[in-house]
Amino acid sequence: KAGVTQTPRYLIKTRGQQVTLSCSPISGHRSVSWYQQTPGQGLQFLFEYFSETQRNKGNFPGRFSGRQFSNSRSEMNVSTLELGDSALYLCASTEPGTVNEQFFGPGTRLTVL
Amino acid sequence: AQSVTQLGSHVSVSEGALVLLRCNYSSSVPPYLFWYVQYPNQGLQLLLKYTTGATLVKGINGFEAEFKKSETSFHLTKPSAHMSDAAEYFCAVRAGGYQKVTFGTGTKLQVIP
Repeated sequence: KAGVTQTPRYLIKTRGQQVTLSCSPISGHRSVSWYQQTPGQGLQFLFEYFSETQRNKGNFPGRFSGRQFSNSRSEMNVSTLELGDSALYLCASTEPGTVNEQFFGPGTRLTVL
Repeated sequence: AQSVTQLGSHVSVSEGALVLLRCNYSSSVPPYLFWYVQYPNQGLQLLLKYTTGATLVKGINGFEAEFKKSETSFHLTKPSAHMSDAAEYFCAVRAGGYQKVTFGTGTKLQVIP
């Protein structure tokens, strides 16, 4: 099976712009989670989607949003970018079931200038 | 609520020496515990997981971890470090069911030749 794919891999934006990141989970996985990784804060949970519904949400401002499509692909959007949004954004998918591990994509490196 | 504490943001060991990375967790229900490894510019890869049953869990690349409920710990060990083990390691907890996964702040392992 192909792994989790994320596009684009690298992105440079300026303050005030918005950005959309995409994640395609492993075939058959219906749960997709998003994380923000920065050197200072580590891995911070953004949100989790399961069957097109947001199941869990982290403590991020409303500028961060996401959605999941019927084919389980997911997108996250960040509006009105700030310098502090520069980070590696990781997507992870999980097989159906409660105890299965997450499979991570390579991430999208977002730089906000 | 659930949380993870990883003691030591940086650990250095000599090649061939024992690797010990510490993880303590907090969970109000029996937890599911995970160790992941991240190499530079890559996503996270699962090393091992504990769900139920045997408290000593063996993973990939010679790593293992022991779940100790009385100490709320899930330390990661490897008898003999290899240069290729140099990476960042994350401990994670999911407090059962469909709760979000919470990651520790990570431990960077340096292996000295």
